[in-house]
Amino acid sequence: ETGVTQTPRHLVMGMTNKKSLKCEQHLGHNAMYWYKQSAKKPLELMFVYNFKEQTENNSVPSRFSPECPNSSHLFLHLHTLQPEDSALYLCASSPSGESAGELFFGEGSRLTVL
Amino acid sequence: AQSVTQLGSHVSVSEGALVLLRCNYSSSVPPYLFWYVQYPNQGLQLLLKYTSAATLVKGINGFEAEFKKSETSFHLTKPSAHMSDAAEYFCAVSEDNTDKLIFGTGTRLQVFP
Repeated sequence: ETGVTQTPRHLVMGMTNKKSLKCEQHLGHNAMYWYKQSAKKPLELMFVYNFKEQTENNSVPSRFSPECPNSSHLFLHLHTLQPEDSALYLCASSPSGESAGELFFGEGSRLTVL
Repeated sequence: AQSVTQLGSHVSVSEGALVLLRCNYSSSVPPYLFWYVQYPNQGLQLLLKYTSAATLVKGINGFEAEFKKSETSFHLTKPSAHMSDAAEYFCAVSEDNTDKLIFGTGTRLQVFP
């Protein structure tokens, strides 16, 4: 596999469930990101990891918990979400420092919170 | 703080017509600017980027954008639209020229036969 892969592509969960989104990149990049894409809003940067260390938390509620066990994998753990958290969650990676702003995105995980 | 504004959430053109998607930026430092494209059910893909070299930047699929400092603009153009260009287009600025991108709200391009 190449590029950035996200699973699952679609997820429906209740407000009391716990679920996780997974992202894997096969590009040898050192930085990984979670973005939230909601209708009629700009993409919102949620978290940034560089060399497995979290370097950015953009005031994201604690019901979203990221995990980066290594430079190739990124998770977003979800629990007690709200209906307004329904959105497309995009993972991206970049070489970090070599190509400023050139992000490689996955296809996204479409989350619906009931 | 840096930001981008995309004028027009929807643009419709006929196949073969000129495509013009507008983006204005706000930045206190020379910006790095980007256009990304999102095809249906896909993630975003880089079309082109400006990093203070040539002001006219050529990207993939025949798109180009011109950096105009006097107008604080970075509009995206393509001389002749193709049906396959139908997608959502996002302008972005790099915060302090790092990997942190600040995106606009996007412009959905429709191409009619």
